[in-house]
Amino acid sequence: GAVVSQHPSWVICKSGTSVKIECRSLDFQATTMFWYRQFPKQSLMLMATSNEGSKATYEQGVEKDKFLINHASLTLSTLTVTSAHPEDSSFYICSARDPSGRAPYEQYFGPGTRLTVT
Amino acid sequence: AQTVTQSQPEMSVQEAETVTLSCTYDTSENNYYLFWYKQPPSRQMILVIRQEAYKQQNATENRFSVNFQKAAKSFSLKISDSQLGDTAMYFCAFRRGGTSYGKLTFGQGTILTVHP
Repeated sequence: GAVVSQHPSWVICKSGTSVKIECRSLDFQATTMFWYRQFPKQSLMLMATSNEGSKATYEQGVEKDKFLINHASLTLSTLTVTSAHPEDSSFYICSARDPSGRAPYEQYFGPGTRLTVT
Repeated sequence: AQTVTQSQPEMSVQEAETVTLSCTYDTSENNYYLFWYKQPPSRQMILVIRQEAYKQQNATENRFSVNFQKAAKSFSLKISDSQLGDTAMYFCAFRRGGTSYGKLTFGQGTILTVHP
């Protein structure tokens, strides 16, 4: 149980275009999802907290208009990188809480999405 | 704000031996959770072990155990009988308790290499 998927696992896009990354909780309803960014051999940096049916809460320094987060259902959150540039190339990871699960304080992580902007 | 510090950027160990990864944290909270996550080359984050701050007993999961020193704000991970599959980046993480959607604060990570 508590499986989180991400799609796509790897994406290449041209500079100036937008790309959408999906995060799904497969066997539970996730009222809260989190989006992280990770550079090689570095830690995970929290970008935003996404609550179903409400606006995302962004961490300081994260551009809301550039990284659009939508949590329209209890099993799906999306991250859209708008007008992507090479510096947005990174590994993006989502996680989700299962509030009704055995350990509601835990986060379950997706496998990540590698974004390359050319 | 909470901070988590992992002072060992890289560690190495021989297969079958024991290794300890260090983690310290700073918080004014009394109710919180601590975690160790493993990130192998696949980059999938895997929960290794968790510790509730209100529990005095150190958590253990098979070959993995922690030394939780609440007063010292220390939370080290011991890996016994190291295996090649333990090669990964390990992250210590902190989460406040008593909140409905508490976020995780991660340490910088420790790259562990297990040598045959």
